[in-house]
Amino acid sequence: NAGVTQTPKFRILKIGQSMTLQCAQDMNHNYMYWYRQDPGMGLKLIYYSVGAGITDKGEVPNGYNVSRSTTEDFPLRLELAAPSQTSVYFCASSPRQTYYNEQFFGPGTRLTVL
Amino acid sequence: QQQVKQSPQSLIVQKGGISIINCAYENTAFDYFPWYQQFPGKGPALLIAIRPDVSEKKEGRFTISFNKSAKQFSLHIMDSQPGDSATYFCAASLTDNYGQNFVFGPGTRLSVLP
Repeated sequence: NAGVTQTPKFRILKIGQSMTLQCAQDMNHNYMYWYRQDPGMGLKLIYYSVGAGITDKGEVPNGYNVSRSTTEDFPLRLELAAPSQTSVYFCASSPRQTYYNEQFFGPGTRLTVL
Repeated sequence: QQQVKQSPQSLIVQKGGISIINCAYENTAFDYFPWYQQFPGKGPALLIAIRPDVSEKKEGRFTISFNKSAKQFSLHIMDSQPGDSATYFCAASLTDNYGQNFVFGPGTRLSVLP
């Protein structure tokens, strides 16, 4: 199993540009998440999904959109990129709720908006 | 109320020493408390986790101590090794009918000196 994969690994955007961060998992997990990690800060939840066709906002959703058309994929869309969106973005997944709800993280996408 | 506080921000320990990282939360509805370990350039990975029905959990050199009345929990790393040098995040999760909402602490950067 590849686990959680993210593309691209690095990206530089100009202000106002748009892009999609890709995330895929091959573990048949129901739950998927998008986080951003700013320097010296913890992970902030952007959006999450409990299954195909179901998404909901997290703590910091402004400026982002998501979709979940399949169990495997959970892309994050940035519209009109702003310098405040410079961050490292992590996608994660977890199986249907168990006693220990482990989240499996991808390697991250480092995004710079100039 | 959704915040998780974590201290210290950074920690330097000699090889063989004990590393202790503390976290505190406000929301008594949190029902799952994991610790994640993150190496530079990598996504976080689950290290150890606990639920409020136990006061301590030990896995190898890693121990979580949980104080429900004080709303605090801590990670103890015994016989710390240079390979333990990483950033550690505590988190708290609220499991509800819609899914899991994780709140992460800001992280502690641990350096274990050889």
